[in-house]
Amino acid sequence: QSVLTQPPSVSGAPGQRVTISCTGSSSNIGAGYDVHWYQQLPGTAPKVLIYTNFNRPSGVPDRFSGSKSGTSASLAITGLQAEDEADYFCQSYDSSLNSWVFGGGTTLTVL
Amino acid sequence: QVQLVQSGGGLVKPGGSLRLTCAASGFTFTNFYMTWIRQAPGKGLEWVSYVSGDNTYTRHADSVKGRFTISRDNAKNLVFLQMNSLRAEDTAVYYCTGLQGSGASNWFDPWGQGTLVTVSS
Repeated sequence: QSVLTQPPSVSGAPGQRVTISCTGSSSNIGAGYDVHWYQQLPGTAPKVLIYTNFNRPSGVPDRFSGSKSGTSASLAITGLQAEDEADYFCQSYDSSLNSWVFGGGTTLTVL
Repeated sequence: QVQLVQSGGGLVKPGGSLRLTCAASGFTFTNFYMTWIRQAPGKGLEWVSYVSGDNTYTRHADSVKGRFTISRDNAKNLVFLQMNSLRAEDTAVYYCTGLQGSGASNWFDPWGQGTLVTVSS
């Protein structure tokens, strides 16, 4: 059971917009700790997609965006492309556990 | 370019030991904390250990405390994870990563390619 809760799967047609939620609590996201997102393409290592809630590393398309509010965060992907099929993980810090924590991951399927 | 290349891993019996190595290049190694993160088959990510840039401070997740030891060789830009008393539940792909940010905001970047550790009799 992950500390941060994500939907196991989401799907969308090419060109559509999808969002992935990441729900935490008052000891992590709600305590003000930032949220970061990772993309894991099949058979590869994760890579950072969004850092500090909404910042994109160079090379990440602006189709990817992040937001945070209260005890939750969201990753939005617009203009879906087949190459976006991957697992997506959110990550933050938990003050009760005194540890970095991850969501369980969401598998995105492009129909 | 920035790169983390991992070696080690493989099949080991319960109770056995293994050492993972991560070679860093393309960045000022001593400026960064380094970590190990693992991913059990078909599961999510779990932070395992971290070591400070000057190798003076380490910390391990409760699940591996007392069994795993992280260290680094700053002269050779290497990070190690010594894993002892291995259990079946330690079976996972282990990733070496850098630690970015500070304070209330830390994220993991870059990532090594991952190495599979299988604990089975």
